[in-house]
Amino acid sequence: RKEVEQDPGPFNVPEGATVAFNCTYSNSASQSFFWYRQDCRKEPKLLMSVYSSGNEDGRFTAQLNRASQYISLLIRDSKLSDSATYLCAVTSLGGYNKLIFGAGTRLAVHP
Amino acid sequence: NAGVTQTPKFRVLKTGQSMTLLCAQDMNHEYMYWYRQDPGMGLRLIHYSVGEGTTAKGEVPDGYNVSRLKKQNFLLGLESAAPSQTSVYFCASRQQGKGEQYFGPGTRLTVT
Repeated sequence: RKEVEQDPGPFNVPEGATVAFNCTYSNSASQSFFWYRQDCRKEPKLLMSVYSSGNEDGRFTAQLNRASQYISLLIRDSKLSDSATYLCAVTSLGGYNKLIFGAGTRLAVHP
Repeated sequence: NAGVTQTPKFRVLKTGQSMTLLCAQDMNHEYMYWYRQDPGMGLRLIHYSVGEGTTAKGEVPDGYNVSRLKKQNFLLGLESAAPSQTSVYFCASRQQGKGEQYFGPGTRLTVT
């Protein structure tokens, strides 16, 4: 089993839709969680950290479920510009030294 | 403030040739990382460094060497390139005490 797993998609949604991605992780000792966005042929860029209490940044909401070992990303009112691959990342074996990345979920928003 | 930069952006090598990829960061970050990204595989950690003069192996270190002689630079070397090393290579850095990493723009390497 992979340490961090994501549904590769693609998720094809119309503009204005709400879409949610999940990411499961296997190491219960993981302490920090992040969502990154990666555009085609570009580097991953930090979208948001995921806090235990959940956090929101504009149209984006991230949540952590430690009991079931997954994090989620909700995007409301999808824009064409949200089309990208979304990577989740989880710290490994406690501490911050290494991040384990999921393979990413592709989102395509269409008019 | 340029963040994380990588040179070169693109490179084509023949099997058996060697090359060095350079990563530089101007954020005074202690930690630096080299990843490779292949279709369907996600980002895989090659080597990393927790400070100047130190390096450690990641998930896929074979065929690569690294050096961190200066805090701001992290070099990735391929001594004898193989077609299996065709990939996109990303460098990243992070601040001590924080988990989030910041990435450079990547180097696309093709080994023929």
